[in-house]
Amino acid sequence: DGGITQSPKYLFRKEGQNVTLSCEQNLNHDAMYWYRQDPGQGLRLIYYSQIVNDFQKGDIAEGYSVSREKKESFPLTVTSAQKNPTAFYLCASSLTQGYDEKLFFGSGTQLSVL
Amino acid sequence: GQQVMQIPQYQHVQEGEDFTTYCNSSTTLSNIQWYKQRPGGHPVFLIQLVKSGEVKKQKRLTFQFGEAKKNSSLHITATQTTDVGTYFCAGPTGNQFYFGTGTSLTVIP
Repeated sequence: DGGITQSPKYLFRKEGQNVTLSCEQNLNHDAMYWYRQDPGQGLRLIYYSQIVNDFQKGDIAEGYSVSREKKESFPLTVTSAQKNPTAFYLCASSLTQGYDEKLFFGSGTQLSVL
Repeated sequence: GQQVMQIPQYQHVQEGEDFTTYCNSSTTLSNIQWYKQRPGGHPVFLIQLVKSGEVKKQKRLTFQFGEAKKNSSLHITATQTTDVGTYFCAGPTGNQFYFGTGTSLTVIP
C-alpha cells in the first residue's frame, strides 16, 4: 500500500534532549511538509521541502531542524531550543509543490515532555 | 503573513440537524481545499475549489467558494454520527498551505 509512515506514534522528550521524528513516503512525491498541531490552533507549518537536498522554513521553524537526503524521507529533529515541544506532529506530502496539489498526511506523532 | 480563520471553533448538533463552518482568509486565495480529521486521526483531503463562486457537492456535503475568493463554507445536511471530526480549510499560497483553525463537530445521537 502506498502512503506516509510516521514513527514513533508516541515520543517522550527529556529536558535538554534532541529527538527525531521519522517520516517516510512511498508515493514518489516530490514535496514533503511538517506541521505542528496544538489544540484549537489548527495546523502550523514548520518546514517544507520541494526536492531532495532542499528545504525551506515555515512559520514556526525555530527550535526545529530537518534534512532531505532521500526523496522518500524527511525527518524532523526537535531540538532542546524548542521550549514548548508538546504537540501532535504531522508529516505530509504532495506530488509536487504546485498550488493545486492536495496533501496526504501520515498518522502523526504525539510528542510530550517528561 | 496570510491568516485563515474558521468559525465556529466548536459545534454540537443533534443527529439530523444541519451544520455549517465558515472559512475566511485575509488575502485572496488561488484555491481552497477542505480536509476532515477524525478524532485521534490525521487530516484527509475532501475537496478543492478553484473558481470564484464555485459550488461542489459530495452527497450531504456542500462546499462553496466566495465570489472574491477570500471565503468558503462547508455545509452538511442532516448530520450523522460518522460526520464527527474537525474540518479544516486550507488556502495554498505560493509554496505553502495555510490551514484554518478548524471547526470541531460533535454529533449527539
